[in-house]
Amino acid sequence: KAGVTQTPRYLIKTRGQQVTLSCSPISGHRSVSWYQQTPGQGLQFLFEYFSETQRNKGNFPGRFSGRQFSNSRSEMNVSTLELGDSALYLCASSGTGLKTKNIQYFGAGTRLSVL
Amino acid sequence: KNEVEQSPQNLTAQEGEFITINCSYSVGISALHWLQQHPGGGIVSLFMLSSGKKKHGRLIATINIQEKHSSLHITASHPRDSAVYICAVPLRQGGSEKLVFGKGTKLTVNP
Repeated sequence: KAGVTQTPRYLIKTRGQQVTLSCSPISGHRSVSWYQQTPGQGLQFLFEYFSETQRNKGNFPGRFSGRQFSNSRSEMNVSTLELGDSALYLCASSGTGLKTKNIQYFGAGTRLSVL
Repeated sequence: KNEVEQSPQNLTAQEGEFITINCSYSVGISALHWLQQHPGGGIVSLFMLSSGKKKHGRLIATINIQEKHSSLHITASHPRDSAVYICAVPLRQGGSEKLVFGKGTKLTVNP
């Protein structure tokens, strides 16, 4: 079974631009969560999608948004990029089975640099 | 005060040493997660536990729900154990849970 796939792995953007990151969950997983990791703040929860609906949201400005498609693939978008948005963005998927429900499987992340 | 506190922040050990990383949390939880992050960013879920102790190879995780404390132990440490270890607790929010993370413990095991 393929793991969680995130694309692209690396991205360089300039301030003011917008960016879209993609996450393909493990086959059969319907929940996808997104996280931001920075040296100063560590890992922080962005949002979670389940069956195309945003189920939970962290404390991030409205510039951060996401969506999930019917095949459970998810995208997150950041508009009007700021220098502070430079971070590693991780997504994780989890299943609905009794044994897998609360275990999150992480992708390798997308490293975003904003210049 | 952070809801999840880890100690130590950095840890250097010699190969073969017994390692302990601690995690304290201030919120009620259903389970606690231990994650491992290698250089390059990839994160692997090591354990999810809600009581007692779990063991996987040389890794042992314990949790004391009453004291709101968990420990991750590594026996006979090896340089390949060098990584950042992160504990995380799920916080109930709305109809689902979100993970809240500790800042991580950077472990370096020297040969």
